[in-house]
Amino acid sequence: EDQVTQSPEALRLQEGESSSLNCSYTVSGLRGLFWYRQDPGKGPEFLFTLYSAGEEKEKERLKATLTKKESFLHITAPKPEDSATYLCAVQAGVTGGGNKLTFGTGTQLKVEL
Amino acid sequence: SQTIHQWPATLVQPVGSPLSLECTVEGTSNPNLYWYRQAAGRGLQLLFYSVGIGQISSEVPQNLSASRPQDRQFILSSKKLLLSDSGFYLCAWSVRRPPYQPQHFGDGTRLSIL
Repeated sequence: EDQVTQSPEALRLQEGESSSLNCSYTVSGLRGLFWYRQDPGKGPEFLFTLYSAGEEKEKERLKATLTKKESFLHITAPKPEDSATYLCAVQAGVTGGGNKLTFGTGTQLKVEL
Repeated sequence: SQTIHQWPATLVQPVGSPLSLECTVEGTSNPNLYWYRQAAGRGLQLLFYSVGIGQISSEVPQNLSASRPQDRQFILSSKKLLLSDSGFYLCAWSVRRPPYQPQHFGDGTRLSIL
């Protein structure tokens, strides 16, 4: 069974204080790893897809990296507007045409002034 | 560009009442469609997915059902709601080909059962 574990569950940062969120996964044949941002009361918003170990993607203050066992979401000099829950999901093996994802429980990030 | 619509945004229903949540996608054809439930402090649980009209796969045995009467319409239903059906329901879509593409979510329906 595919498993995704995110840590920490919650993270409080001061504005400008860089940090990283972790997503560890156990899957039978990773096909893609996805990062999402979710604001309270909203649906998840897609951020990045990573397909192979060593791959990196960047968007503004966010940078996602991938190894064979985990992914990191690095947040550089965060601002209060980066406060949200960040979700990691994996797509693995043969999905039978459904392209199904397995999600972690997320990291709730709060950035304070 | 593609957009996804879910309604209603909030719903309060008594135990034992029926349910119908609707989701439509615009700007794409032949999408995969998904229904998820998200409990407070927990990850997204996949309930149903569909790869085509009338084709529904159920992931978790439960009190709910899904239907896809049109290519870009996905409906989540129940004949009699239970207290345990409360939660945040999300609809999502993805392209069918190529595989391993991200899913894109609507803004969800907050369902409270009294």
